[in-house]
Amino acid sequence: AQTVTQSQPEMSVQEAETVTLSCTYDTSESDYYLFWYKQPPSRQMILVIRQEAYKQQNATENRFSVNFQKAAKSFSLKISDSQLGDAAMYFCAYRVLATLFKTSYDKVIFGPGTSLSVIP
Amino acid sequence: GAGVSQTPSNKVTEKGKYVELRCDPISGHTALYWYRQSLGQGPEFLIYFQGTGAADDSGLPNDRFFAVRPEGSVSTLKIQRTERGDSAVYLCASSLTGTVGVYEQYFGPGTRLTVT
Repeated sequence: AQTVTQSQPEMSVQEAETVTLSCTYDTSESDYYLFWYKQPPSRQMILVIRQEAYKQQNATENRFSVNFQKAAKSFSLKISDSQLGDAAMYFCAYRVLATLFKTSYDKVIFGPGTSLSVIP
Repeated sequence: GAGVSQTPSNKVTEKGKYVELRCDPISGHTALYWYRQSLGQGPEFLIYFQGTGAADDSGLPNDRFFAVRPEGSVSTLKIQRTERGDSAVYLCASSLTGTVGVYEQYFGPGTRLTVT
């Protein structure tokens, strides 16, 4: 079964500090993609960062970086220099795509989310 | 350009009624996805369209749920005989498709469905 686990329902961080959100996943696939999405109260799901499973180098996007441990199936998100606008729900997600004969599938499996609060 | 739009933004209906939720993807995006997000949970995959056809509908919970995309652009998610358990935010996403790599899914703001 393909599952994504986020063990921290809620986290808080002081403004300008660093916080790490945890994520583990379970899959039997060898080729897949991992994502962190941010969802503010507006409900708009915003892509924060992505990681291809075949890449060993950890992805980085400005203040956001990941620690991808493929063997451990772990994919944590580090937010540096936290800002008030970072407060939101954060979802870890796993995506697998395949085309088999005339059948194709492309689905994203989301974790339950971590609610991040930023303290001024 | 315009992003993914969904209408209505909110929908309240009575148990047993029929509802339609609409998704307008980004122009030119051939792939379209529907997800359901229950309160306090992450989105759950429902169905994936490639062009006009449903390539994967394995996430639809039962036969009360149906989705169409007749012209390969706008999609409608249809729910018959609504139940209180159907109350959730229904998210739509679209993306380009290709043979190399994977393209980002762009999400709409969702439709909040409340069944009373």
